[in-house]
Amino acid sequence: RKEVEQDPGPFNVPEGATVAFNCTYSNSASQSFFWYRQDCRKEPKLLMSVYSSGNEDGRFTAQLNRASQYISLLIRDSKLSDSATYLCVVNVAGNNRKLIWGLGTSLAVNP
Amino acid sequence: GAVVSQHPSWVICKSGTSVKIECRSLDFQATTMFWYRQFPKQSLMLMATSNEGSKATYEQGVEKDKFLINHASLTLSTLTVTSAHPEDSSFYICSASTSGGRETQYFGPGTRLLVL
Repeated sequence: RKEVEQDPGPFNVPEGATVAFNCTYSNSASQSFFWYRQDCRKEPKLLMSVYSSGNEDGRFTAQLNRASQYISLLIRDSKLSDSATYLCVVNVAGNNRKLIWGLGTSLAVNP
Repeated sequence: GAVVSQHPSWVICKSGTSVKIECRSLDFQATTMFWYRQFPKQSLMLMATSNEGSKATYEQGVEKDKFLINHASLTLSTLTVTSAHPEDSSFYICSASTSGGRETQYFGPGTRLLVL
């Protein structure tokens, strides 16, 4: 089983749609969780951290379910500029902290 | 905000050539720098973690003698791909952190390496 699993998509949605991405992680010792966005042929950029209580940043809402080892990202009123790959990232606890990256979910927002 | 640069952004070289990639933190001191590799349609894979003034820690399966990492200062780390071969063609990305990776990592723009 992969350490971080995501549905690769692609998700094709019209402008204004609401779209949700899911991610599961296998290591119960994971401590920090993030959603990154990566545009084609570019480096990943931090979209938002994910907190246990859930958090919102404008049109983006992230939620974490530690019991189910599940993370979600909801995008409301999607824009053309939201088209990108969304990467679920987990930071595992321990002396050798490192980020574990999901394969990413591809989103295409169409006019 | 924290800015990380990488140089060069593109490299095309012949098989057998060694290629050096620089990663610089421009406006902060990076205690730790990370080197990643990303193949097409794959996720980022951590290659090594580099702490200033000490030897890099390589991930399993990454040859330390092939991918030489030097982190001589708090603002510069270099990755040298020695005797590059076509299978080394990839997108190499560095990131920098002020706290050993516990907090946000700031990513460089990446370097595309094509080995002919």
